Amino acid sequence: EDKVVQSPLSLVVHEGDTVTLNCSYEVTNFRSLLWYKQEKKAPTFLFMLTSSGIEKKSGRLSSILDKKELFSILNITATQTGDSAVYLCAASSNTGKLIFGQGTTLQVKP
Amino acid sequence: DSGVTQTPKHLITATGQRVTLRCSPRSGDLSVYWYQQSLDQGLQFLIQYYNGEERAKGNILERFSAQQFPDLHSELNLSSLELGDSALYFCASSVETRDTQYFGPGTRLTVL
Repeated sequence: EDKVVQSPLSLVVHEGDTVTLNCSYEVTNFRSLLWYKQEKKAPTFLFMLTSSGIEKKSGRLSSILDKKELFSILNITATQTGDSAVYLCAASSNTGKLIFGQGTTLQVKP
Repeated sequence: DSGVTQTPKHLITATGQRVTLRCSPRSGDLSVYWYQQSLDQGLQFLIQYYNGEERAKGNILERFSAQQFPDLHSELNLSSLELGDSALYFCASSVETRDTQYFGPGTRLTVL
């Protein structure tokens, strides 16, 4: 059965800290790995990774995929209170459906 | 704002009833996906349509059905509602099946 596992499930840090969120997956006909941020509403898209070893960056956020070891990490540097959210990892199959992990709840304290 | 719209935002109904949730994809997107998010199950894929045809099914209950119309909007029909159907229902869309999915604001369904 397809599954995606995220760790840790929750994290509390202080502003300015760097955090690393983990995502491992086992998905038949894997196509890509996506990261979303959810703040009590719809998930908003962060990254889509299809190639192993190529880092994607957007401001203070970056992510990388390892297709051999079947995992991805999301890094957030110099965290701000506005980064507080649930971060969702999802693996897509060739059909396009997304299999989501449980999410990591990040709280950034001032 | 992702460009995906969903109506209604909130829906409160009783057990045994039937409801219809509506989704309009982003302009140009052919693929529509429905997801259910509950506290204990997280985000679960229900069903996918591409240009009017069903493309993939997840753990969608037989009491639930969906369709995508010629104008590409989609409806999710939930019938014989049970308390456990209370959840957030999201619609997402993408240009093609393998492209990034963008999520709508969701419909919060409460079954009393």
